[in-house]
Amino acid sequence: EDQVTQSPEALRLQEGESSSLNCSYTVSGLRGLFWYRQDPGKGPEFLFTLYSAGEEKEKERLKATLTKKESFLHITAPKPEDSATYLCAVQAYGNQFYFGTGTSLTVIP
Amino acid sequence: EPEVTQTPSHQVTQMGQEVILRCVPISNHLYFYWYRQILGQKVEFLVSFYNNEISEKSEIFDDQFSVERPDGSNFTLKIRSTKLEDSAMYFCASSVTGTGVTDTQYFGPGTRLTVL
Repeated sequence: EDQVTQSPEALRLQEGESSSLNCSYTVSGLRGLFWYRQDPGKGPEFLFTLYSAGEEKEKERLKATLTKKESFLHITAPKPEDSATYLCAVQAYGNQFYFGTGTSLTVIP
Repeated sequence: EPEVTQTPSHQVTQMGQEVILRCVPISNHLYFYWYRQILGQKVEFLVSFYNNEISEKSEIFDDQFSVERPDGSNFTLKIRSTKLEDSAMYFCASSVTGTGVTDTQYFGPGTRLTVL
């Protein structure tokens, strides 16, 4: 069964304290792995797409990496405005996305 | 920047009533989707729609649900007879490309459905 697991469930960081979020997956034939940011009461906001192991993408303080079994979202020197839930989704076949339960990130000033 | 829009933002209905949730996908996108997120739980796929027909659906998408593209811009989700457990945030999404091709899905802000 295809599965996406994110850890930790929640993370509290001091402003400037770098850390990483994990997304591990077991799918038959990964077509793409996606990172989204979700603010309370809003829809997921696209961040990155990764297609193959070894690929990396960066955007401001965020960097996403992909291996054959997991992806990491690295947050460098986070700011309070980075506080949100970060969602990982995988596309295994067809056009279905399978989402993880997310990591709720709180950055304390 | 183009975005997916959804109306209404919040819908309250009585159990057993029909509801229609509306979405306007990004204009040059060809694939459309509905997802739901029950409070505190993960985002779950409901259905994808391409070329005026359903291309995939999950086990959640039973006979109580239907989708339609009534005109060139709107994409709707109808729940025929709502149940308490249908209470959730419903997200519409769209993507550019067609079947079998990996593509980023862009999500709307959601409609919060409350069934009383």
